[in-house]
Amino acid sequence: DQQVKQNSPSLSVQEGRISILNCDYTNSMFDYFLWYKKYPAEGPTFLISISSIKDKNEDGRFTVFLNKSAKHLSLHIVPSQPGDSAVYFCAAEGGSQGNLIFGKGTKLSVKP
Amino acid sequence: GAGVSQTPSNKVTEKGKYVELRCDPISGHTALYWYRQSLGQGPEFLIYFQGTGAADDSGLPNDRFFAVRPEGSVSTLKIQRTERGDSAVYLCASSYQGGAGETQYFGPGTRLLVL
Repeated sequence: DQQVKQNSPSLSVQEGRISILNCDYTNSMFDYFLWYKKYPAEGPTFLISISSIKDKNEDGRFTVFLNKSAKHLSLHIVPSQPGDSAVYFCAAEGGSQGNLIFGKGTKLSVKP
Repeated sequence: GAGVSQTPSNKVTEKGKYVELRCDPISGHTALYWYRQSLGQGPEFLIYFQGTGAADDSGLPNDRFFAVRPEGSVSTLKIQRTERGDSAVYLCASSYQGGAGETQYFGPGTRLLVL
């Protein structure tokens, strides 16, 4: 059974608007949550993370929100740019060794 | 500074053959991870090295898969008697020490196709 779920396989947004990518998890023991961005034929690139003891982390245009009671996190990108078009993976880290558990990804398309 | 590199970038082999996939982590990173990404899925953890030793190999699907990191830097993932279901992108990542919350830096992956 999937421990990290991204229920939207794709999302299309107009340039300049906000993109909201969602992620749900089942294991309340996860310590950290991360978002990775992936372009075709490249490896995933780290974007932003959040500790389970926080509810928000912001880095420039990217903000991650964590709702522990709902076991839900979201990534907000504002304003969205065409270069943000990629597959976004939500990942959770559960152990001290850092193994990541990934969702299936959401393909974001930002239209000019 | 170079990032994580992986060779080959693509590998086509026939069912039953043996393959080796190589990962060269970021210099100075003691932690190294292998993941496998099948079509339409997110990366799935295979094995984690801390230095030369495999600290966690719980993600290896069966005994056809084996990985080594003899000198604590370069790692090789070895797949024996390949099957069509092994076709996937094999990703390698490294981090400085492997502790909780550390960023993992991924290589571009090796695309393995088993015919």
